[in-house]
Amino acid sequence: AQSVTQLGSHVSVSEGALVLLRCNYSSSVPPYLFWYVQYPNQGLQLLLKYTSAATLVKGINGFEAEFKKSETSFHLTKPSAHMSDAAEYFCAVPSGGYQKVTFGTGTKLQVIP
Amino acid sequence: DADVTQTPRNRITKTGKRIMLECSQTKGHDRMYWYRQDPGLGLQLIYYSFDVKDINKGEISDGYSVSRQAQAKFSLSLESAIPNQTALYFCATSAPGGNEQFFGPGTRLTVL
Repeated sequence: AQSVTQLGSHVSVSEGALVLLRCNYSSSVPPYLFWYVQYPNQGLQLLLKYTSAATLVKGINGFEAEFKKSETSFHLTKPSAHMSDAAEYFCAVPSGGYQKVTFGTGTKLQVIP
Repeated sequence: DADVTQTPRNRITKTGKRIMLECSQTKGHDRMYWYRQDPGLGLQLIYYSFDVKDINKGEISDGYSVSRQAQAKFSLSLESAIPNQTALYFCATSAPGGNEQFFGPGTRLTVL
């Protein structure tokens, strides 16, 4: 079954620094990969989605992710962190014959002023 | 207006009580899901439904039941709540084909 692994349950960066959140998928290449963001006291919302059309995917709020088959990775980056980026981020992959989505365990991003 | 709504937003109850969490959506999607979120565990799928006659168990369905009253409504019940079911519960919808899921704001449930 497809799964994703997120390394680091908590990541702290200074405001203005690079954000790098890691996600690795299990061995078979998935047709889709997602990053979702959860702001405090809110539900999850889609940040970006990989569909095999392009390996570099741009999302909302300046985030992007690069699909690397050789590394089975789909890491999320943002060049310069903003205080408003403080949230929990989830990587996800379709599963169960694409009827469901399996989420990673999440990475909580703290932005230090 | 929100596309996916959940009621109540917060609920405190006692062990052994029956609880129902409700979800409504205006997105016109056939697929609806109930998840549970616990710190450090991500989201775990409880039940999902592809139409009013199609209900499927997820990874952690024990102790829960669901009802799909209409395309737009999907309710989650805890027949006899236990403290271990204290968590944040999310409803979500999606269109077919592995597409984006749209989440409600969540229900924070505390079982004493």
